[in-house]
Amino acid sequence: AQSVTQLGSHVSVSEGALVLLRCNYSSSVPPYLFWYVQYPNQGLQLLLKYTSAATLVKGINGFEAEFKKSETSFHLTKPSAHMSDAAEYFCAVTNAGGTSYGKLTFGQGTILTVHP
Amino acid sequence: NAGVTQTPKFQVLKTGQSMTLQCAQDMNHEYMSWYRQDPGMGLRLIHYSVGAGITDQGEVPNGYNVSRSTTEDFPLRLLSAAPSQTSVYFCASIRQGTGTEAFFGQGTRLTVV
Repeated sequence: AQSVTQLGSHVSVSEGALVLLRCNYSSSVPPYLFWYVQYPNQGLQLLLKYTSAATLVKGINGFEAEFKKSETSFHLTKPSAHMSDAAEYFCAVTNAGGTSYGKLTFGQGTILTVHP
Repeated sequence: NAGVTQTPKFQVLKTGQSMTLQCAQDMNHEYMSWYRQDPGMGLRLIHYSVGAGITDQGEVPNGYNVSRSTTEDFPLRLLSAAPSQTSVYFCASIRQGTGTEAFFGQGTRLTVV
């Protein structure tokens, strides 16, 4: 079984401030982890992914995330927020390989608001 | 390069009506899935398929049917719509193998009245 918990359904930051979105996962086998972003009335776009290579993963739009096995975390960060970062962000987990790879388990989402 | 295409984008149904949400992908991906998105609940897996002729249930399958006769298409059928099925539905496809991500369609916003 696998699960994802995103701490904070809403996060508000000022433009230029650090963005930190928290994600903790539970998985009985080595996980693959993803962060997706959803802009209003659109589908989900991949920001970055962890697939058992480097634990610090860099993604698009200046975002990065660090896989910490001991803390079962995969927090998303960006050093300086931009107005265009305002969106909903989802953390997701799947098991490495096998037929389970078609199945993603998502967190409940975090809405990021960026103030001028 | 279409990717994953869902139709329709919007739909209003009356309780008890049936309909099919269409999903097609042109990337020759083996895995396809259907999710529903509800506020504060993230996306939940309804059904998925690992190839033509093979489907299985996800977390919330009740009230939905799927079939996969070709690699490209994975329609989702609502047999008798209920207000609880009001949601945004997303189809996704994934290439078989490790380390690959899901590609999502633009979604179908369904309202059941």
